[in-house]
Amino acid sequence: QVQLQESGPGLVKPSETLSLTCTVSGYSISSGYYWGWIRQPPGKGLEWIGSIYHSGSTYYNPSLKSRVTISVDTSKNQFSLKLSSVTAADTAVYYCARTRGWFDPWGQGTLVTVSS
Amino acid sequence: EIVLTQSPGTLSLSPGERATLSCRASQSVSSSYLAWYQQKPGQAPRLLIYGASSRATGIPDRFSGSGSGTDFTLTISRLEPEDFAVYYCQQYGSSPRGTFGQGTKVEIK
Repeated sequence: QVQLQESGPGLVKPSETLSLTCTVSGYSISSGYYWGWIRQPPGKGLEWIGSIYHSGSTYYNPSLKSRVTISVDTSKNQFSLKLSSVTAADTAVYYCARTRGWFDPWGQGTLVTVSS
Repeated sequence: EIVLTQSPGTLSLSPGERATLSCRASQSVSSSYLAWYQQKPGQAPRLLIYGASSRATGIPDRFSGSGSGTDFTLTISRLEPEDFAVYYCQQYGSSPRGTFGQGTKVEIK
């Protein structure tokens, strides 16, 4: 059974870089699929951030592309998200998920608050 | 960029009733690359439907998806108490990118 778990700081200061890691268990990232990040501001809807293949090929949401970097570490079976120059508008629950276009399964999500 | 508009925003129904949720795309969604998710408070979304009409593993057959082009529908044939939640549609292309609708809340009447 594939499981994903997000980890990282729950509080980030404005203008700094948000960094999260997703650890995958029950499936080797190197075996295939894309792996993605999605976020959800409190009380709002879902926003796709970007996706990565085990080879490192990436796709980003055009609205976030200038600030986003997604990377993969197949040796640790993890992939990571970096979002730079954060503001309060980046406060959200961040989810990682396996993707073939649709997202399944999802991690439980981690709340990241941007505040000084 | 394709914009997805879901309607209604809120659907008030009783257990046992039929729920019909709509997702309309601003342009045609190729190859029916459309998915539906259910989200309950404090939980991650759960995949219900992909490819517009294929049920994900373990999803009860009271959930069905239909549509093509720009108009898609999620139908819950008989609402169970656990079905009251928020539902999102998502379009994806041949590459792994996606846009979500704003969601429809199905609440108990």
